[in-house]
Amino acid sequence: DSGVTQTPKHLITATGQRVTLRCSPRSGDLSVYWYQQSLDQGLQFLIQYYNGEERAKGNILERFSAQQFPDLHSELNLSSLELGDSALYFCASSVEDPGLAGVGELFFGEGSRLTVL
Amino acid sequence: GDSVTQMEGPVTLSEEACLTINCTYTATGYPSLFWYVQYPGEGLQLLLKATKADDKGSNKGFEATYRKETTSFHLEKGSVQVSDSAVYFCALSDRDDKIIFGKGTRLHILP
Repeated sequence: DSGVTQTPKHLITATGQRVTLRCSPRSGDLSVYWYQQSLDQGLQFLIQYYNGEERAKGNILERFSAQQFPDLHSELNLSSLELGDSALYFCASSVEDPGLAGVGELFFGEGSRLTVL
Repeated sequence: GDSVTQMEGPVTLSEEACLTINCTYTATGYPSLFWYVQYPGEGLQLLLKATKADDKGSNKGFEATYRKETTSFHLEKGSVQVSDSAVYFCALSDRDDKIIFGKGTRLHILP
């Protein structure tokens, strides 16, 4: 158990819909990362937050957005869903401030599997 | 941009065989390098890491050495076990401190 909690574990929805994925980081971790894992693209970095502020952005579509709340949990919002958005979405957390100490170990949740029909 | 290339799988070996999974990287500056492992139905977990050239990371019998001259970080184990069956990801931390992952290599160990 990594200490990172993601909900829901499984989600099935239709094209055009909107979903929200939730992540609770490990106790004490200030950084949260979101990744998308698909068979053909591997593990793609989406976005990173540190203590409520966006720190880095990767290949995140404009239809997707995220935020980190004062209690440090994070949500990833996916809208106008398409078939190609079906994937496993991982949240990871780490304790360090990337700007000061560099990146160390990431702790991953078990993922949220999204199926768009 | 920075990237990681690792050998495509699946890799199938018999128990007690030697393992090498190749990983090369492209990066500006001097990234930290990582190997993560994903067991079936689980999230990724850090297997080992190296933060500077010539460092050797090791854990659970696995080793990898940070080779700056060949921009490589190959994963090795002398004698694999069935329980090592998993997907292995090579990764680096880029200059913006994002972790960039390779596409993963699936390893099957036969008893």
